[in-house]
Amino acid sequence: GAVVSQHPSRVICKSGTSVKIECRSLDFQATTMFWYRQFPKKSLMLMATSNEGSKATYEQGVEKDKFLINHASLTLSTLTVTSAHPEDSSFYICSAPAGVRDYGYTFGSGTRLTVV
Amino acid sequence: GENVEQHPSTLSVQEGDSAVIKCTYSDSASNYFPWYKQELGKGPQLIIDIRSNVGEKKDQRIAVTLNKTAKHFSLHITETQPEDSAVYFCAARGETSYGKLTFGQGTILTVHP
Repeated sequence: GAVVSQHPSRVICKSGTSVKIECRSLDFQATTMFWYRQFPKKSLMLMATSNEGSKATYEQGVEKDKFLINHASLTLSTLTVTSAHPEDSSFYICSAPAGVRDYGYTFGSGTRLTVV
Repeated sequence: GENVEQHPSTLSVQEGDSAVIKCTYSDSASNYFPWYKQELGKGPQLIIDIRSNVGEKKDQRIAVTLNKTAKHFSLHITETQPEDSAVYFCAARGETSYGKLTFGQGTILTVHP
């Protein structure tokens, strides 16, 4: 089945630095990638939708300059948390539609970001 | 936009009992309703899904029912096992293919041995 590989699974960074999270579609072409943020014991909150070759669409309230999304190829989408602060600490998850005729979605394994 | 409400927020059952989680949605044009299981520190895993042209779907111990008129859908797990313990999320998607999923708030299911 369709697999999205997400890396890193865990990252700790210092305040003020930037962190990049990668999601790769291993056996299919992901023209769209959804990026979610999840707080402890909370649901998934959609942050933005990236489409290959075009600018990402951000949900209301999500800072575009804080969360940079790039989808330069059909197999790679990245989320960069810039000038990270402790409040950016969270679980970040990517997801892509699973196929042309399939209604499903495949999710990455998530990245636990801790900013110290 | 779509709004999905999920209940209960926590559910505790004895091994072997059944568990039912319910969700309601607001957009009558929604056409796809997946259920996900999420274990601690991992991404969501699809356990079952249903499309709007189907009323019920079953996969071994797991079933989903959809009532389009009432705009609600439910997850049924029979013969629960301790390994079923996890957080379960329902979701709904609007009419446009590959559109955004809207998630419910999640249910923490605990199955006691």
